[in-house]
Amino acid sequence: QVQLRESGPGLVKPSETLSLTCSVSGGSVSSGSYYWTWIRQPPGKGLEWMGYIYYTGSTSYNPSLKSRVTISADTSKDQFSLNLNSVTAADTAMYYCARGHGGKWGAFDIWGHGTMVIVSS
Amino acid sequence: QSVLTQPPSVSAAPGQEVTISCSGSNSNIGNNYVSWYQQLPGRAPKLLIYDNNKRPSDIPDRFSGSKSGTSATLAITGLQAGDEADYYCETQDLSLISGRVFGGGTKLTVL
Repeated sequence: QVQLRESGPGLVKPSETLSLTCSVSGGSVSSGSYYWTWIRQPPGKGLEWMGYIYYTGSTSYNPSLKSRVTISADTSKDQFSLNLNSVTAADTAMYYCARGHGGKWGAFDIWGHGTMVIVSS
Repeated sequence: QSVLTQPPSVSAAPGQEVTISCSGSNSNIGNNYVSWYQQLPGRAPKLLIYDNNKRPSDIPDRFSGSKSGTSATLAITGLQAGDEADYYCETQDLSLISGRVFGGGTKLTVL
């Protein structure tokens, strides 16, 4: 059974880079038709798709974040990571990693529990 | 504002049926499959419906999805107190370099 777990700092200073890692257990980031995805949710608000890295290594990002976001994968550790630079208070959110299932037209069938990141000095 | 439009809230009594709508356009719902997610308070979202109307094996058949044109609908029958949650629709959007978009979410209150 595949499980995802986010990890990283819970507090980031404005203008710095937010870095999170998602560890995949029970599966591999380099196998199958899966989109390894980051999704965030500001407090009291809805879900925002940030981007994904496909199992082939190709990436796609939300245009509203494209200039600031990078998603990468470490296949040796079965992890994928999110870097978001030049953060502001507006980036304060719960960050989720999720698996988009290619066989289900990209539906996010597995989610991590989420990790809260606060941007504050 | 979200690319996909959902009502902010719906409510119904236990045992009743409720529907949640999700309106989009030809660049998203009109030409792609829709998924629905349930987010219980303080929890991560959970996949309820994929491919417009398919349920993962652990989702009861009280939950159903449909799509017509550029709109999709989630129906929940036999409402239970435990169904009180936020519900989100989601699909691919061709205008976002094939990125994904979510609806703004609908808060379901079981009266």
